[in-house]
Amino acid sequence: ETGVTQTPRHLVMGMTNKKSLKCEQHLGHNAMYWYKQSAKKPLELMFVYSLEERVENNSVPSRFSPECPNSSHLFLHLHTLQPEDSALYLCASSQFGNEQFFGPGTRLTVL
Amino acid sequence: KQEVTQIPAALSVPEGENLVLNCSFTDSAIYNLQWFRQDPGKGLTSLLLIQSSQREQTSGRLNASLDKSSGRSTLYIAASQPGDSATYLCAVSRYGGSQGNLIFGKGTKLSVKP
Repeated sequence: ETGVTQTPRHLVMGMTNKKSLKCEQHLGHNAMYWYKQSAKKPLELMFVYSLEERVENNSVPSRFSPECPNSSHLFLHLHTLQPEDSALYLCASSQFGNEQFFGPGTRLTVL
Repeated sequence: KQEVTQIPAALSVPEGENLVLNCSFTDSAIYNLQWFRQDPGKGLTSLLLIQSSQREQTSGRLNASLDKSSGRSTLYIAASQPGDSATYLCAVSRYGGSQGNLIFGKGTKLSVKP
């Protein structure tokens, strides 16, 4: 696999479920990012990891919990989400501060 | 607080036309500016990255310019094709510890008609 991959591509969950989104980058980058894209709103940065350390948390509710076990993998753990959390969740990677490359996204629907 | 605006929100042109997409930002202290395209329901594809010290970048039929002092960037697409139909997003990052923090505009939805 090349570039940035994300699984699953689509996810439907109830408000009481716990699920995780996975991102993997094959580009040798040292930084990874989670973004949220909702209808009618600009892309919003959620979390930034540089060298596996979280360097940015943009006031994201605690029901979203990121994890970066190594420089190639990034997870977003989800629990007790709300319907307004339904969105496209995008992962990206870069050499920190340089051009960012995005994955295809996970389309999340919260019922 | 940095804000990014893209005008127009939507644009429809006939095939073969040259076109310009605009991006403006409120804080000129940027580290770099990046242009992306996004196809419906898909992720973003990076088109061009301009460092703050640069004035323009070119890739094939695409040319992006940057005027930091006026807070503007333009993306020029030459000889447009139906395959160029997509939403084009502009994003800026700032100097300092948060260089990875990209601030996005809402995008320009381009439709190129055969």
